[in-house]
Amino acid sequence: EAGVVQSPRYKIIEKKQPVAFWCNPISGHNTLYWYLQNLGQGPELLIRYENEEAVDDSQLPKDRFSAERLKGVDSTLKIQPAELGDSAVYLCASSRGLNYEQYFGPGTRLTVT
Amino acid sequence: QKEVEQNSGPLSVPEGAIASLNCTYSDRGSQSFFWYRQYSGKSPELIMFIYSNGDKEDGRFTAQLNKASQYVSLLIRDSQPSDSATYLCAASGGFKTIFGAGTRLFVKA
Repeated sequence: EAGVVQSPRYKIIEKKQPVAFWCNPISGHNTLYWYLQNLGQGPELLIRYENEEAVDDSQLPKDRFSAERLKGVDSTLKIQPAELGDSAVYLCASSRGLNYEQYFGPGTRLTVT
Repeated sequence: QKEVEQNSGPLSVPEGAIASLNCTYSDRGSQSFFWYRQYSGKSPELIMFIYSNGDKEDGRFTAQLNKASQYVSLLIRDSQPSDSATYLCAASGGFKTIFGAGTRLFVKA
């Protein structure tokens, strides 16, 4: 069974530029999560999807971050414009549903200069 | 603010010893609990999950849950240098999964 796929693995951009991350979850997993992880911290939820519906985006900075999960499968997270403080690892995870175990993709390490 | 608390460590144990990692959570509505291992520069990898009070064993790993005390632990028997990593505890309930900041484990050869 293929795991969660993310791309790109690394991204370096200048501040004020846009950036987008892509995630393909494990087949059959209806719940998809985007997390942000800073060094020495645990993952922090940005947004959770149930199928194509964003059911928890309370921690998503909506002035610059957006996400979509068209057709309820793969998902894209976008930042526009990026700020220096956005430098972090962006993790995508999927699960069979809320409260079930989550499986993480390899993450995208974003550096904003 | 619902929280999951872990000792940041590092916890250092000799090879072959038992490593004991602890976690407390504040949300009494939490129903599911998870332990993830994260190597430096890698993403979290699920190693154990537990839903009911008591112990759950899987190979060298044992997860323990005490909902009355809001306490979850992970025991690693016969610790190996390859177990050196950060271990994240997570609690899930209601509408959210909360992760702790992790405990760094170092197994000395």
